[in-house]
Amino acid sequence: EDKVVQSPLSLVVHEGDTVTLNCSYEVTNFRSLLWYKQEKKAPTFLFMLTSSGIEKKSGRLSSILDKKELFSILNITATQTGDSAVYLCAVDRGGGSNYKLTFGKGTLLTVNP
Amino acid sequence: EAEVAQSPRYKITEKSQAVAFWCDPISGHATLYWYRQILGQGPELLVQFQDESVVDDSQLPKDRFSAERLKGVDSTLKIQPAELGDSAMYLCASSSDRFYEQYFGPGTRLTVT
Repeated sequence: EDKVVQSPLSLVVHEGDTVTLNCSYEVTNFRSLLWYKQEKKAPTFLFMLTSSGIEKKSGRLSSILDKKELFSILNITATQTGDSAVYLCAVDRGGGSNYKLTFGKGTLLTVNP
Repeated sequence: EAEVAQSPRYKITEKSQAVAFWCDPISGHATLYWYRQILGQGPELLVQFQDESVVDDSQLPKDRFSAERLKGVDSTLKIQPAELGDSAMYLCASSSDRFYEQYFGPGTRLTVT
């Protein structure tokens, strides 16, 4: 059975802290790993990772994939209260034009002022 | 900026009643997804359309759920009869050829009493 496991499930930090969110997976037909941010609404896309060892970066957020050890991390530096959200990891395990995303349960990040 | 539209945003219904949700994807997006997200969990794919055809409905409880996308544009998800366990957020997403960017709508929060 395909699994996507995120840790920790919740995290409370202070503004300015750096956080690392983890995502491990066991899926057949792995194609890519995606990170989403979900506030009190729909998920918004952050990154897609397909190759090991290549860091994706957007402002204070960065992510990297390890296909040998089957995990990814999402780093957020100098956290702000606006970073408070659920961060979802999803793995695309599809083939051809049939794309299948399996989501983890998410990590609830709370950034206190 | 183009967005995925969903309605209603909130729905309260009694068990055994019928409910329907509507989704209008971003114009030109051929692929449409319906997800269910239970509180504290990641989204779970219910059904995926490519144009008007269902390409994956393996996780759709077909005894009570149905989905259609008759003209390959907007889509309707129906539950009949609703059960208490159906209380969740129902998310619609769409994507174009750049499959990894699934754009999510604001969701419909269903409460079954």
